[in-house]
Amino acid sequence: KNEVEQSPQNLTAQEGEFITINCSYSVGISALHWLQQHPGGGIVSLFMLSSGKKKHGRLIATINIQEKHSSLHITASHPRDSAVYICAVRPIKAAGNKLTFGGGTRVLVKP
Amino acid sequence: EAGVTQSPTHLIKTRGQQVTLRCSPISGHTSVYWYQQALGLGLQFLLWYDEGEERNRGNFPPRFSGRQFPNYSSELNVNALELEDPALYLCVSSLETGNEKLFFGSGTQLSVL
Repeated sequence: KNEVEQSPQNLTAQEGEFITINCSYSVGISALHWLQQHPGGGIVSLFMLSSGKKKHGRLIATINIQEKHSSLHITASHPRDSAVYICAVRPIKAAGNKLTFGGGTRVLVKP
Repeated sequence: EAGVTQSPTHLIKTRGQQVTLRCSPISGHTSVYWYQQALGLGLQFLLWYDEGEERNRGNFPPRFSGRQFPNYSSELNVNALELEDPALYLCVSSLETGNEKLFFGSGTQLSVL
């Protein structure tokens, strides 16, 4: 079993819909990152969480440390949100910023 | 401010050859991480350099190596290329070895014929 599991693997939504991506992990962590990867490979860091909730524009990320679970929500989704969203954790025992990644969720938002 | 820059963007090599990939971190960042993203697989940790020294490496054979220069730029070397090495190689820079935002380069896409 992977240390970081994401669901769903693929998601198709209509423009304007609310999207939720889930990330579950099995190790103690000191931080969790949500990343966005567009076609062509470029990766952008969206959020870094160690507790609670963060919001940036239409994106909201939450984390429940006790349940070892995080969610990324996209409100009023838009075709430009189409990308792969990756959850990555920094295990407590890891040195530096060595991360363990989920397999990603491929999101397609149709106009 | 310039972001993390990687070169080249694409490489095509043949089996058995050697490649060198380069990364320049954001100014002031001392840590550079290398990750491999093979087709259909998630990102895998390769190497971590900080202040010119190798701090940690992932589960990759010794033919994957690198170094970090005094200006904190870094090279990733892959010797004796094999058919399982094609991937997007990503460089990540960060300021400290702690919980802070990470900055990704655009990657080098390596093909092996």
